[in-house]
Amino acid sequence: DGGITQSPKYLFRKEGQNVTLSCEQNLNHDAMYWYRQDPGQGLRLIYYSQIVNDFQKGDIAEGYSVSREKKESFPLTVTSAQKNPTAFYLCASSISWGVEAFFGQGTRLTVV
Amino acid sequence: AQSVSQHNHHVILSEAASLELGCNYSYGGTVNLFWYVQYPGQHLQLLLKYFSGDPLVKGIKGFEAEFIKSKFSFNLRKPSVQWSDTAEYFCAVNAGNTGKLIFGQGTTLQVKP
Repeated sequence: DGGITQSPKYLFRKEGQNVTLSCEQNLNHDAMYWYRQDPGQGLRLIYYSQIVNDFQKGDIAEGYSVSREKKESFPLTVTSAQKNPTAFYLCASSISWGVEAFFGQGTRLTVV
Repeated sequence: AQSVSQHNHHVILSEAASLELGCNYSYGGTVNLFWYVQYPGQHLQLLLKYFSGDPLVKGIKGFEAEFIKSKFSFNLRKPSVQWSDTAEYFCAVNAGNTGKLIFGQGTTLQVKP
């Protein structure tokens, strides 16, 4: 069953801890993206990767880090430097940059 | 920096009413344009896309959108909405060769039966 898998669906962490969100795709897509979704603010781009071993900062990269060591995986780490980490995080992929992206089900992160 | 603006944040319509959701973007070069929909409890899905050619594009579920280059707009339309169209709608733009896919703030559509 092809698609984008984000895990876990819900995640709780204590303030000050780093946390890594998983995103795996088996669509053989080159490009992958991480977004943050907050009510009334739409989707804001955190990081994106056009190809394996390469990634760029999006509009709100501060306090986040990523890696793209494998084509199918694009994990996002929310660091303790992120001032307001509680949010819904969406991962997406596209066969190449510029074309339509497909989305995972999202991870809701709550930091207490 | 490129940006996408959706003017209507919350729209309430009765069934069978016509729908038009506005989307404007800021980028002077070549763009690829998208509308996505997020039904309650579901993941984002592509409604339609525009890359080139006929500026009036048709998507799924009777939706269409018109690209007006001079107005930097890509408005979404549907002649007659149904209760099942209740969802959040997002306009998105990929500008030139940046690789970035930027979304608008979203419009929540509520259709009353």
